[in-house]
Amino acid sequence: DAGITQSPRHKVTETGTPVTLRCHQTENHRYMYWYRQDPGHGLRLIHYSYGVKDTDKGEVSDGYSVSRSKTEDFLLTLESATSSQTSVYFCAISESTSDYNEQFFGPGTRLTVL
Amino acid sequence: DAKTTQPNSMESNEEEPVHLPCNHSTISGTDYIHWYRQLPSQGPEYVIHGLTSNVNNRMASLAIAEDRKSSTLILHRATLRDAAVYYCILIGNNDMRFGAGTRLTVKP
Repeated sequence: DAGITQSPRHKVTETGTPVTLRCHQTENHRYMYWYRQDPGHGLRLIHYSYGVKDTDKGEVSDGYSVSRSKTEDFLLTLESATSSQTSVYFCAISESTSDYNEQFFGPGTRLTVL
Repeated sequence: DAKTTQPNSMESNEEEPVHLPCNHSTISGTDYIHWYRQLPSQGPEYVIHGLTSNVNNRMASLAIAEDRKSSTLILHRATLRDAAVYYCILIGNNDMRFGAGTRLTVKP
């Protein structure tokens, strides 16, 4: 299995509080991604990174920010959590662009915003 | 919006072949066709991908129509461990959009 860990694995927080989720990889892959998954839906891309300090927005980026100061770590921040951000968050990595490279996914973080 | 259309659910018997269809009539010339699957309470797992030609790997085969407007994922002998949601995804310029997928049930 690809070396991807996510922390925390579960979190319950209150509306208006900041939350940071961490994705850590040991594969030295260039690309890292954050997705969210809601019931009855596939995954939706939030942000992705194509290198240290290089990030871009995905399909549902509003309300989220990311940072990548090291190859191995990709942080997702909810500046002020809302109930609509209750979801399961998945991190993924790929060696190069995902057009022709597989993505490896982490185990997910279940976030509940009350 | 997802660029692919898949049946919501399918059933198969154990040890029989399964053909999972996917329509992608708006595919562009540079889009790759990927398949991922997601087992319960896990992250998605890569299955296979292709561009124009049919592809085989240890997990499955991918048959791509000549006009590339549809494709079929083939599991040659379904096992109980293959029960999952299967996603057909078009990826171009690193833009990867999942649809709702097909939930495959495998009956013993």
